[in-house]
Amino acid sequence: QVQLQESGPGLVKPSQTLSLTCTVSGDSISSVNYYWSWIRQPAGKGLEWIARIYTSGGTNYSPSLKSRVTISVDRSKNQFSLNLSSVTAADTAVYYCASGGLTHPFDYWGQGILVTVSS
Amino acid sequence: QSALTQPASVSGSPGQSITISCTGTNSDVGGCNCVSWYQQHPGKAPKLMIYDVSNRPSGASNRFSGSKSGNTASLTISGLQAEDEADYYCSSYTTSSTLYVFGTGTKVTVL
Repeated sequence: QVQLQESGPGLVKPSQTLSLTCTVSGDSISSVNYYWSWIRQPAGKGLEWIARIYTSGGTNYSPSLKSRVTISVDRSKNQFSLNLSSVTAADTAVYYCASGGLTHPFDYWGQGILVTVSS
Repeated sequence: QSALTQPASVSGSPGQSITISCTGTNSDVGGCNCVSWYQQHPGKAPKLMIYDVSNRPSGASNRFSGSKSGNTASLTISGLQAEDEADYYCSSYTTSSTLYVFGTGTKVTVL
């Protein structure tokens, strides 16, 4: 079974870039036909899909964040990453990485990481 | 792309059955059998309970079942237990550029 673990700074200053990494264990990120996604959840609010990357490297982004987001994969480390630029307080949230198939893309979830944007 | 619409809260007594609705459009819920349901306890990550409208992954209780009619999907919890008290979210693939959309979330309270 695939296991996911987010890592990265818990505090980011406004206007800077938020960078998070998701480490995959239990299988190779290259060997399974999975989509690897990032999702976030502001405190007390609902879930928002941010971006996904396919095993082959193809990417898709939420239109509302597309201009600020980059998702990438590092096969040698069995990791995938999220970069969100020009952050503001509105980007403060718990960020989750998740994986799954095309029609059910969030089968497995990481535990989540709280990122606070504040000076 | 707007979020899928769910009731803010649903409650029931232990042993009862409850149903949570998830209403979308022809572009998402009504457009394919791509609806999933997640359970989220406070401070925890969401857990997949139902995928592709009515399929239950290994590890999910058989007290959970899903269905769909037109643009509305539903999650039914039968034999309600105290441990079922949590937030529940639906999600769907969408043909819009948003690709995936979540529901507004439903808080289930066991009385």
